[in-house]
Amino acid sequence: EIVLTQSPATLSLSPGERATLSCRASQSVSSFLAWYQQKPGQAPRLLIYDASDRATGVPPRFSGRGSGTDFTLTITSLEPEDVAVYFCQQRSNWPPELTFGGGTKVEIK
Amino acid sequence: QLQLHESGPGLVKPSETLSLTCSVSGDSINTSSYYWGWIRQSPGKGLEWIGSIYYSGSTFYSPSLRSRIAMSIDTSKNQFSLRLSALTAADTAIYFCARSHGLAMQWYLYWGQGTLVTVSS
Repeated sequence: EIVLTQSPATLSLSPGERATLSCRASQSVSSFLAWYQQKPGQAPRLLIYDASDRATGVPPRFSGRGSGTDFTLTITSLEPEDVAVYFCQQRSNWPPELTFGGGTKVEIK
Repeated sequence: QLQLHESGPGLVKPSETLSLTCSVSGDSINTSSYYWGWIRQSPGKGLEWIGSIYYSGSTFYSPSLRSRIAMSIDTSKNQFSLRLSALTAADTAIYFCARSHGLAMQWYLYWGQGTLVTVSS
C-alpha cells in the first residue's frame, strides 16, 4: 500500500497570505494525485486531479504541482471560506488501489 | 443536477452484514462514462476507499476489505449498493457514495452527503 504523508498537520495563516500544503508518497505515484477540500459536516470536494488540473468551478487561487513522490497544493491568497481540511489522494497503477493522506487543517488567524 | 443519496441502517451489530444503497438522480447510472464508488471516513482511519463499480458490473475493491465486500449495480433502479460482512467496531464510519470524474475511476467529483454507520451491540 502506498502511504501518503501530509504536512503540516495544521496551518494557521492570515487572510491574503499564501498557503503551501505538502503531500509525500512512500513510492512514486507518477501524476496520479488529487487534492480534496473538506469543510465540517460536508463531503470532500475535488479541487485538483492529475497533480495539477483544477476541477470545474475551482477558483484559480488553488494550484497543484509535483510528480513522483512530492506534491504541493498552493492557495495563493487565503480567503476565509478556505478554512477546511485538505486531503491528498493517490491511485496506484495496477491493480488500482486508492489511498488518502491524513489531512492538513487550514485555519485563519 | 446530479445528486447521490446514501441509505441504510444507522446501527448494526458486530459480526452482522451492512447493506447500503446509493440512489442517483439527475443522470442515468447506465453510462459508460463514469465509475461509481464507496468511500468511508472514521476518526481513527481517516478517509478510506472501499471500492468502485462500473455500469457493466465490473469492480475494483480495496485489498484490505476485499474478502468482506460486495458491490452491485441496478441500472433499472438507478442505484448501486455495498455489502460489508463480518462487521466490527472498526467499521464504524461515515459512508459516502460518489461518482468519478469522467472515466478516471480514481478521482471522485460528485459525492453524497454521507450516512453514519455505527457498529455496536
